[in-house]
Amino acid sequence: DTAVSQTPKYLVTQMGNDKSIKCEQNLGHDTMYWYKQDSKKFLKIMFSYNNKELIINETVPNRFSPKSPDKAHLNLHINSLELGDSAVYFCASSPRQGYNTEAFFGQGTRLTVV
Amino acid sequence: TQLLEQSPQFLSIQEGENLTVYCNSSSVFSSLQWYRQEPGEGPVLLVTVVTGGEVKKLKRLTFQFGDARKDSSLHITAAQPGDTGLYLCAGVKPNTGNQFYFGTGTSLTVIP
Repeated sequence: DTAVSQTPKYLVTQMGNDKSIKCEQNLGHDTMYWYKQDSKKFLKIMFSYNNKELIINETVPNRFSPKSPDKAHLNLHINSLELGDSAVYFCASSPRQGYNTEAFFGQGTRLTVV
Repeated sequence: TQLLEQSPQFLSIQEGENLTVYCNSSSVFSSLQWYRQEPGEGPVLLVTVVTGGEVKKLKRLTFQFGDARKDSSLHITAAQPGDTGLYLCAGVKPNTGNQFYFGTGTSLTVIP
């Protein structure tokens, strides 16, 4: 069983469309994240949720809206897609609060906006 | 300027050579992790270091956390083609919960 799974793996869409990426983790973790990896492979945090509550909301356009229906799911909805949104988006989870923890990543969703 | 800077950015070496990757910051971290990412996959945790000066070994990989907890290094002995990948350090800053700040990445290619 995949620990952190994202769907879809690839997403090609036109500018202006609205799209969603789904993420589920079966690890029983309380904290989930969305990261964006740009063309230079830099991973930047977008959002962090702990037990369905938003903890971190970095400087991200409000076209991006995360939704956590329960602590095992964290979906990402993107409105009015722009060319600059093209990137690989990673969902991740971590098991506990505090410093001695680690992140478990999904396989990523490669979003291409044309 | 990113919070964690890695060097070198790219590294291409022959099988059997040794190498060191550096992860530097002006900030103090509660802990620091190293991840490896392969094409088309998400990063996978290699190690977590939490104590200043700590050294951890994972087979041919040696990880060190700086005494001041601002930097770290990853040393690979006798590199193998299977070590090829993107190496990422990530730090957790004090009082930020579980927020991981990732480094700029080092892309390693080991040539057979």
